[in-house]
Amino acid sequence: DAMVIQNPRYQVTQFGKPVTLSCSQTLNHNVMYWYQQKSSQAPKLLFHYYDKDFNNEADTPDNFQSRRPNTSFCFLDIRSPGLGDAAMYLCATSTGQGATEAFFGQGTRLTVV
Amino acid sequence: AQSVTQPDIHITVSEGASLELRCNYSYGATPYLFWYVQSPGQGLQLLLKYFSGDTLVQGIKGFEAEFKRSQSSFNLRKPSVHWSDAAEYFCAVGAPGTYKYIFGTGTRLKVLA
Repeated sequence: DAMVIQNPRYQVTQFGKPVTLSCSQTLNHNVMYWYQQKSSQAPKLLFHYYDKDFNNEADTPDNFQSRRPNTSFCFLDIRSPGLGDAAMYLCATSTGQGATEAFFGQGTRLTVV
Repeated sequence: AQSVTQPDIHITVSEGASLELRCNYSYGATPYLFWYVQSPGQGLQLLLKYFSGDTLVQGIKGFEAEFKRSQSSFNLRKPSVHWSDAAEYFCAVGAPGTYKYIFGTGTRLKVLA
């Protein structure tokens, strides 16, 4: 089945140690998103790509970066994780063409110790 | 600015009882409207969506939602809840042409046996 896959499902990192989360898709969708979701809160959009065009949300901290080397893969890099960055990180995709929904991966739970 | 309000943070219902989860949105025109469900530690799964046309939409797992333009609402309903419906439910809006999805804060559903 076509899907959005996030690896790893659980990631533990040390305070200040760079970490990378990955997302791949077999849907061949133009748009890929990264959302941050803290406990009992709504997913918060960090940034998204339309093809190679990167769009950063105004309130996304500089500590968060993203790469999309090709259509299928997208990475979230956290340069210096703080305790406040512990959250579920959700990758999603959409066609970006007219009325369409977002398809989500299973998420990566990040713990910062 | 677009916004989504889910007034009920928690709802508890007995198995077999009917369910209605409320969602109100703020947007200049009719946005795309979605309901997603999230089980603990999982990603978001689409239940149903509304883009245009018939204001009563059917989704998966026996859920339906009704779009009411005059009330800026898109409430989710199910006539008979099952224990497996216990999860968090998110209403979301998509602004045509922006490729972005804005989520409400979610409603956590508890089902009593």
